[in-house]
Amino acid sequence: DAGITQSPRYKITETGRQVTLMCHQTWSHSYMFWYRQDLGHGLRLIYYSAAADITDKGEVPDGYVVSRSKTENFPLTLESATRSQTSVYFCASSDGTGHGYTFGSGTRLTVV
Amino acid sequence: QQQVKQSPQSLIVQKGGIPIINCAYENTAFDYFPWYQQFPGKGPALLIAIRPDVSEKKEGRFTISFNKSAKQFSLHIMDSQPGDSATYFCAAHYQGAQKLVFGQGTRLTINP
Repeated sequence: DAGITQSPRYKITETGRQVTLMCHQTWSHSYMFWYRQDLGHGLRLIYYSAAADITDKGEVPDGYVVSRSKTENFPLTLESATRSQTSVYFCASSDGTGHGYTFGSGTRLTVV
Repeated sequence: QQQVKQSPQSLIVQKGGIPIINCAYENTAFDYFPWYQQFPGKGPALLIAIRPDVSEKKEGRFTISFNKSAKQFSLHIMDSQPGDSATYFCAAHYQGAQKLVFGQGTRLTINP
């Protein structure tokens, strides 16, 4: 099915553990993004990528790592999870016009 | 640092009323202003958008009003329905950078 999929939908992890959130899109969109959603803060950009092997920091990148070896995949890794990283994470892709952002269904991450 | 400020944080309106959500920005490099609608458990979805050279855009029951000189824009929902209950985000697109900056979100409840 065409679209953008995130996995897992829910994840509970312990403080200090490494966790990777997956994002896959089937449109061959050049741009991909990771946002976190927290009450009172809206959606904040963590990292984004303009193409394979090109990534850049967003507003809140500390504690996160991204890679993009293939156009369709954009995984987000929390190297050593902290409780402050408990959030809902959304992946999005865009055709580059800025007008066609499409979001995945999100991953709810809880760090205990 | 929130570059797009959105208010109110929550809003309750009776069915048939006209909820209004307001956003303000400072950066004149923004060139496109979309609104996203998010239902519980789902990712945000594009609802309606406007360019800064247009003062108003209407799509169905949804209208964006844009005041370029005041750097403000707002969403109006005519004849609101309980099915419109959702979280609404305004956003602004950076010209050339292909990034969206989001407001804090408004949780809208339409009572029957």
